[in-house]
Amino acid sequence: EAGVAQSPRYKIIEKRQSVAFWCNPISGHATLYWYQQILGQGPKLLIQFQNNGVVDDSQLPKDRFSAERLKGVDSTLKIQPAKLEDSAVYLCASRTGASDTQYFGPGTRLTVL
Amino acid sequence: LAKTTQPISMDSYEGQEVNITCSHNNIATNDYITWYQQFPSQGPRFIIQGYKTKVTNEVASLFIPADRKSSTLSLPRVSLSDTAVYYCLVDSGSARQLTFGSGTQLTVLP
Repeated sequence: EAGVAQSPRYKIIEKRQSVAFWCNPISGHATLYWYQQILGQGPKLLIQFQNNGVVDDSQLPKDRFSAERLKGVDSTLKIQPAKLEDSAVYLCASRTGASDTQYFGPGTRLTVL
Repeated sequence: LAKTTQPISMDSYEGQEVNITCSHNNIATNDYITWYQQFPSQGPRFIIQGYKTKVTNEVASLFIPADRKSSTLSLPRVSLSDTAVYYCLVDSGSARQLTFGSGTQLTVLP
């Protein structure tokens, strides 16, 4: 079974630039999550999708972050404009149901200069 | 929101059994307890999940007392490759409950 795919793996941008990350979850997984993991900390949930609808985005900084999951499969997370404090690894995870485990992708490491 | 508390770090030697305890005093009825392992430059990887009592799989055991306010991950006979950060997560499937703590850095020494 193929895992959660993410791209790019690494991205370096300057502050105030825009960036987008892509996630392809495991086939058949209805629930998709985006996390932000700052170095030395645990992952922090940003947004949860159920199919193509947003379940919870209460921790997403909506003034600069946006996410979508068109057709209930792939998802993109965008930051516009980026700040220095956005430097982190952005993880995507998916699961089939509430009692199932989450499966994480390898993450995208973002460095904002 | 069920917050979790774990030791920041632990050291062990190869071949020993390691027990990592997590406290989650505010766990709710619908919450599961899930443990993940994370290596540098990788996403967290599922180890084990439980609701109550004891769960065992091919890599670990999870002990949960009756009050469910804590849980203990047990890794039998660790090896150098078990050096990683271990996270305890209280998970009800709702985004509002998905809070990872800072994790426990386990270092296995030769």
